[in-house]
Amino acid sequence: DTAVSQTPKYLVTQMGNDKSIKCEQNLGHDTMYWYKQDSKKFLKIMFSYNNKELIINETVPNRFSPKSPDKAHLNLHINSLELGDSAVYFCASSQGESGNTIYFGEGSWLTVV
Amino acid sequence: DAKTTQPPSMDCAEGRAANLPCNHSTISGNEYVYWYRQIHSQGPQYIIHGLKNNETNEMASLIITEDRKSSTLILPHATLRDTAVYYCIVRVAGDSSYKLIFGSGTRLLVRP
Repeated sequence: DTAVSQTPKYLVTQMGNDKSIKCEQNLGHDTMYWYKQDSKKFLKIMFSYNNKELIINETVPNRFSPKSPDKAHLNLHINSLELGDSAVYFCASSQGESGNTIYFGEGSWLTVV
Repeated sequence: DAKTTQPPSMDCAEGRAANLPCNHSTISGNEYVYWYRQIHSQGPQYIIHGLKNNETNEMASLIITEDRKSSTLILPHATLRDTAVYYCIVRVAGDSSYKLIFGSGTRLLVRP
């Protein structure tokens, strides 16, 4: 069983399109995240949600809108895609107050052409 | 910005110990040292973490200096599958922001 699963794994789309990446965790965690890894391989946090509430929003354009329908899911919707949005997006989760270990998904490779 | 400094790359022979250093001279008293690794095309994987004492688990050992300004991750018997980028991160456990700030890491190459 995959602990943190993301779909799709690969996504190629044209500029200006709107796309979503879905994430689900079956670990019973109450905190979920989105990280972005760009072409230079730096991993940066974008958002985090705790119990469906937004905790962190790291200066991400408002074209990016996370949605957490429940504690086990955190989806990422991106409007009006730009070339610079091409990256690998990682979903992750951890358990609340201790938050010691953050488990990452396998990544969603987004290419905007 | 990452609060840690790591060498950009290292290599070691298969079967030998890999010792990956990390400097965190500005670490605060309530900040833990975490190690993650990222194997090519995969998501980051948690390895180990510690506060003051040395720690060991099935994957690795973590040695933290007494002044806590540096640490070393030890993979006791490196295998080819340990080739990855290793990230040393400091963060406050239980911090409601739960952020992991990744630096550029150390690219470890395990040679056959």
